[in-house]
Amino acid sequence: QSALTQPPSVSGSPGQSVTISCTGTSSDVGSYNRVSWYQQPPGTAPKVMIYDVNNRPSGVPDRFSGSKSGNTASLTISGLQAEDEADYYCSSLTSINTYVFGSGTKVNVL
Amino acid sequence: EVQLVESGGGLVQPGGSLRLSCAASGFTFSSSWMHWVRQAPGKGLVWVSRTSSDLTTINYADSVKGRFTISRDNAKNTLYLQMNNLGAEDTAVYYCARAGNYYFSSWGQGTLVTVSS
Repeated sequence: QSALTQPPSVSGSPGQSVTISCTGTSSDVGSYNRVSWYQQPPGTAPKVMIYDVNNRPSGVPDRFSGSKSGNTASLTISGLQAEDEADYYCSSLTSINTYVFGSGTKVNVL
Repeated sequence: EVQLVESGGGLVQPGGSLRLSCAASGFTFSSSWMHWVRQAPGKGLVWVSRTSSDLTTINYADSVKGRFTISRDNAKNTLYLQMNNLGAEDTAVYYCARAGNYYFSSWGQGTLVTVSS
């Protein structure tokens, strides 16, 4: 199972919006609304930010939102803040009951 | 508060074995599906395995199938990963994670496994 495709990095100034794409196939992202997103600051464990494409767990700011179209899911961070600087990974259920993560995107706050 | 604490990592020679443990607290472990996820140094997250609450459903990534075995002891609130025939490509931080509904709801801090001679 190949990793889902994410851009290596995205950048934005405080207050701006950034969007991270996550492209899979019809065997994963395209077939299930089971896409989730994880934030991982350096040296720490991942934390779930979005699940089931566009749902936020309790405690996650509403600046974080998700969407999906076809084989591509997206995470948007609005009103970018310095604390949002981290690596972000998408994940999807697959047709063979396994999971696949994205290649990861580093968000830089300028 | 959900807590997951991994242990058992360390340095092992190629071809060797290691058993990781994940001690869980703060939630009903015996009702929870659980996962193992790994991350090689400087690389991305890779899903390794998952188990249902009662071990009746178990899945593995192709890269570890036949070498790794996931198990659990619900009486001890502990998840395990038995790793055999280890190679350099298995060097990584190994995280245990509690399953949400098709996502990873809580993560431990990870334990580092280094395969080297």
